[in-house]
Amino acid sequence: EVQLVESGGGLVQPGGSLRLSCGASGFSFSSYWMSWVRQAPGKGLEWVANIKQDGSEKYYVDSVKGRFTISRDNARNLLYLEMNSLRAEDTALYYCARDFFSAYGYYYYYNGMDVWGQGTTVTVSS
Amino acid sequence: DIQMTQSPSSLAASVGDRVTISCRASQSISNFSSWYQQKPGKAPSLLIYAASTLQSGVPSRFSGMRSGTDFTLTINSLQPEDFATYFCQQTYSAPYTFGQGSKLEIK
Repeated sequence: EVQLVESGGGLVQPGGSLRLSCGASGFSFSSYWMSWVRQAPGKGLEWVANIKQDGSEKYYVDSVKGRFTISRDNARNLLYLEMNSLRAEDTALYYCARDFFSAYGYYYYYNGMDVWGQGTTVTVSS
Repeated sequence: DIQMTQSPSSLAASVGDRVTISCRASQSISNFSSWYQQKPGKAPSLLIYAASTLQSGVPSRFSGMRSGTDFTLTINSLQPEDFATYFCQQTYSAPYTFGQGSKLEIK
């Protein structure tokens, strides 16, 4: 069974740090781009970051650039999100998700995220 | 960043109805748009990608269409399990922004 399981969430004070983890199973983790998506309480979805299969390319939403770092350990099938200088507005449910590409000839097209974990909650509050 | 303006934010319909949800991209994104369904307390699930391609396992009553920078999700013959929140997303360029969501409720 294809599965993603997030962990590492919790309550942290403003300015604090937290590292989220996502364990993957049931598929070849090292063959996929991976993303983090968050959802503030009662709000919509916000794509946060993604990372290429070998970790050589990473992209972030502007609001977390310089504060969050996405990384991965392909040997252990783990995806990470290191979060520093946390703010109240970072409070959310954080989802790990598998990126989905389609191949057409020599090109690959991004289609979004086809497998999602259940999320881990991050609360930033004093 | 590309903005996705989704409407309506909420709608009510009955089982058996046909409903349409729309998203407008702030610039041309070709067919790079996806739709997700999210039920309360659950993670989103991918319904449609590349504007109109149905994800494997998704019922055929769901369909997607593109006209210029406008994208629509149509659900024909609503079933009880379809009452949920729907999000569009542009997959053209990072950051891969989502629409604000449309909550579909039972009338």
